[in-house]
Amino acid sequence: NAGVMQNPRHLVRRRGQEARLRCSPMKGHSHVYWYRQLPEEGLKFMVYLQKENIIDESGMPKERFSAEFPKEGPSILRIQQVVRGDSAAYFCASYRTGSNSGNTIYFGEGSWLTVV
Amino acid sequence: GIQVEQSPPDLILQEGANSTLRCNFSDSVNNLQWFHQNPWGQLINLFYIPSGTKQNGRLSATTVATERYSLLYISSSQTTDSGVYFCAVAPGGYQKVTFGTGTKLQVIP
Repeated sequence: NAGVMQNPRHLVRRRGQEARLRCSPMKGHSHVYWYRQLPEEGLKFMVYLQKENIIDESGMPKERFSAEFPKEGPSILRIQQVVRGDSAAYFCASYRTGSNSGNTIYFGEGSWLTVV
Repeated sequence: GIQVEQSPPDLILQEGANSTLRCNFSDSVNNLQWFHQNPWGQLINLFYIPSGTKQNGRLSATTVATERYSLLYISSSQTTDSGVYFCAVAPGGYQKVTFGTGTKLQVIP
């Protein structure tokens, strides 16, 4: 059973370009989170999604950031017109309620975005 | 929202020493996990422990939900234990998970 898969692992973008980060949850998981980690800081909640629904986007910046989790395919975190302050590690996590491990959430290995 | 504080923020240990990391949270939770972020940035699940005590090798954890804290014990520390340890919690019902500020551990030979 593959874990949470994120790609790309590393992405370099010039200021003003778009960044798209993808996350495939674990098999059978229908809930996805996105977190951002700035250098030397903790993980900050961005958005929580179920299939085709955004449940909570209270941590998402109001502009330039969007997320989706379509019925088919991976969850996408999209950052338009990137700026240097967007440089960070972006982690995706998934979980499934009612599993034997309770509500354990599992993280992917992260996508490191560098804006030059 | 729920507040999560971890202590100490930084810890340096001699290899072989034991340590206790603490996580305090401001509201009742039905999900609490401990993670280790290694020096390469990977987040590794250590424990899912909304209450009670669990052990896994040299690591163990205890959560006292009624008093809103959790402890992570590391015994006979090794250099590979270095990294940042995060506590993450979610309140009852809704599953927005909030991370603590982390404890940065360095184990020296």
